[in-house]
Amino acid sequence: QTVVTQEPSLTVSPGGTVTLTCSSSTGAVTSASHPNWFQQKPGQAPWALIYSTTNKYSWTPARFSGHLLGGKAALTLSGVQPEDEAEYYCLLHYFPTWVFGGGTNLTVL
Amino acid sequence: EVQLVESGGDLVQPGGSLRLACAASGFTFSNYWVTWVRQAPGKGLEWVANMNQDGSVTNYMDSVKGRFTISRDNAKNSLYLQMNSLRADDTAVYYCARAIYDFGEGGDWGQGTLVTVSS
Repeated sequence: QTVVTQEPSLTVSPGGTVTLTCSSSTGAVTSASHPNWFQQKPGQAPWALIYSTTNKYSWTPARFSGHLLGGKAALTLSGVQPEDEAEYYCLLHYFPTWVFGGGTNLTVL
Repeated sequence: EVQLVESGGDLVQPGGSLRLACAASGFTFSNYWVTWVRQAPGKGLEWVANMNQDGSVTNYMDSVKGRFTISRDNAKNSLYLQMNSLRADDTAVYYCARAIYDFGEGGDWGQGTLVTVSS
């Protein structure tokens, strides 16, 4: 069974930069895994941020960027805002299905 | 405005069945892959199943194969999830989502519908 692992929690100061990562039990994450990233706030549905590693949706704030880092998928937030406090999930493609990571709880403090 | 509205969630006994629906509006439903994702209370997201534009391709997570069936009616702009042999660990909020782009598995999401499996 494939397991996708994220940091359980991270803390960042307002205005700072933080990188969330997403690793796979099957080995290095590559662009072939088409990493997606989602933000979810309590009581709300998830909100898509990034698809296929680096691509942003029309609504994705510029401070969010997706990339690959050391065999993992990564989401970097630059100039963090208080409203970025949320749970973040990655989603990886294992043809033909997909697997979510366990989520990273990001605290802005 | 794109809208996805789930319905059909309920309290059901273990071993029972339930059919969820997702009504889509604001876009040409038949042009997009669609997906079901669930979230158990206090837990993370779990990808459940998806289906291509004309319904000819379906994919499922292992734990629901043979029990759940995803389907769609493009004439009614609707997505469905038939859930049989329900278990306590199927208890979750079930979301439908639309893949706007290739390999963008959930661009738009509904607000979810709660399924509770309990005796």
